[in-house]
Amino acid sequence: LAKTTQPISMDSYEGQEVNITCSHNNIATNDYITWYQQFPSQGPRFIIQGYKTKVTNEVASLFIPADRKSSTLSLPRVSLSDTAVYYCLVGGSGTYKYIFGTGTRLKVLA
Amino acid sequence: EAQVTQNPRYLITVTGKKLTVTCSQNMNHEYMSWYRQDPGLGLRQIYYSMNVEVTDKGDVPEGYKVSRKEKRNFPLILESPSPNQTSLYFCASSIKRGQDYEQYFGPGTRLTVT
Repeated sequence: LAKTTQPISMDSYEGQEVNITCSHNNIATNDYITWYQQFPSQGPRFIIQGYKTKVTNEVASLFIPADRKSSTLSLPRVSLSDTAVYYCLVGGSGTYKYIFGTGTRLKVLA
Repeated sequence: EAQVTQNPRYLITVTGKKLTVTCSQNMNHEYMSWYRQDPGLGLRQIYYSMNVEVTDKGDVPEGYKVSRKEKRNFPLILESPSPNQTSLYFCASSIKRGQDYEQYFGPGTRLTVT
């Protein structure tokens, strides 16, 4: 199983773009990369998922370089409500076994 | 409303007293999983199930049991709880999205074992 490494915490200001990078050096060929958001006292919530290049949805973009050993979650114009812990998850490949990292605690300041 | 429910939400118990945390989903998902979350350790998978009567160990299965007798329910059983099982527990069910899964998490169960 691919282990992920993320920064422990980040601070940003409202209206800025935030980029959170995750390292997954031993990602398997068939693994997908998924990001989750977690607010205090709640379960994680799916944000975005991708395999390669760039994926964009209504809340975020996910950038994956050709070697797939890292990925970057991009949150455009963050607001105070984006303050949360963000987890990068690598998995799939026919199994339902997952390892979440320790996550990145994002704090958005006014 | 599509959801994953867990009961109880909060539980304080004593060492050795068997307990069950229930998990139920109404989305007809085949895949379900249990996680525990501890400060500084993130989420760690305890057990998962890929279908009825099919379960397997996750990263930290010691001290836990599960069963999957029907698709919607996936209870977590602690036969003899110990203080090191004090934690926040999450159940999740999943739908296949492309080649991977999107997990829907329940609200969590905070367990304290004294």
